[in-house]
Amino acid sequence: GENVEQHPSTLSVQEGDSAVIKCTYSDSASNYFPWYKQELGKGPQLIIDIRSNVGEKKDQRIAVTLNKTAKHFSLHITETQPEDSAVYFCAASRGDGNNRLAFGKGNQVVVIP
Amino acid sequence: EAQVTQNPRYLITVTGKKLTVTCSQNMNHEYMSWYRQDPGLGLRQIYYSMNVEVTDKGDVPEGYKVSRKEKRNFPLILESPSPNQTSLYFCASRWGQGSNQPQHFGDGTRLSIL
Repeated sequence: GENVEQHPSTLSVQEGDSAVIKCTYSDSASNYFPWYKQELGKGPQLIIDIRSNVGEKKDQRIAVTLNKTAKHFSLHITETQPEDSAVYFCAASRGDGNNRLAFGKGNQVVVIP
Repeated sequence: EAQVTQNPRYLITVTGKKLTVTCSQNMNHEYMSWYRQDPGLGLRQIYYSMNVEVTDKGDVPEGYKVSRKEKRNFPLILESPSPNQTSLYFCASRWGQGSNQPQHFGDGTRLSIL
């Protein structure tokens, strides 16, 4: 089955700087790659996703890039703010039928004011 | 408001005492799922349901049961809880059966089994 790994496990950045989280996946048939943000005491919430027919997607301060050849994708957060402090999960799936979403173990991002 | 609602949010109980965690969604989603979250292990799927009366095991189903009698509800049942089931549990739902659809998560249930 699909194996998704995230690096680094913890990331501290100064407010205003950029944060980048990288994920690798093992199944070359995966074609859907979402990112979830989990704030303290809350469930994960989808913040952005990308499908394998595009290499980059952007939504305001958040962007995701996908490299299918190398089987990795990254989340980029620019101009970080204290409210960006959270745990971020990447995931991957084939996107069809019964195939489940495989999650990475999560990254703790801390934005230092 | 579209949401996934779990109850209870917190529960402390003892080994062997049956418990049920309820999950309800108001989005008419076909697919529902249960995850547990443990430090260093991320989100691991326990059971999922593609539709009413259709359920299947996830990655860590041992010690758990589920049922899907109605589309909106997907309870998680621990028949004889043990301390290794102490964890943070999340219910999730999504529209359609394809895993390339966004999942909506509840706010979690923290279970402590003594």
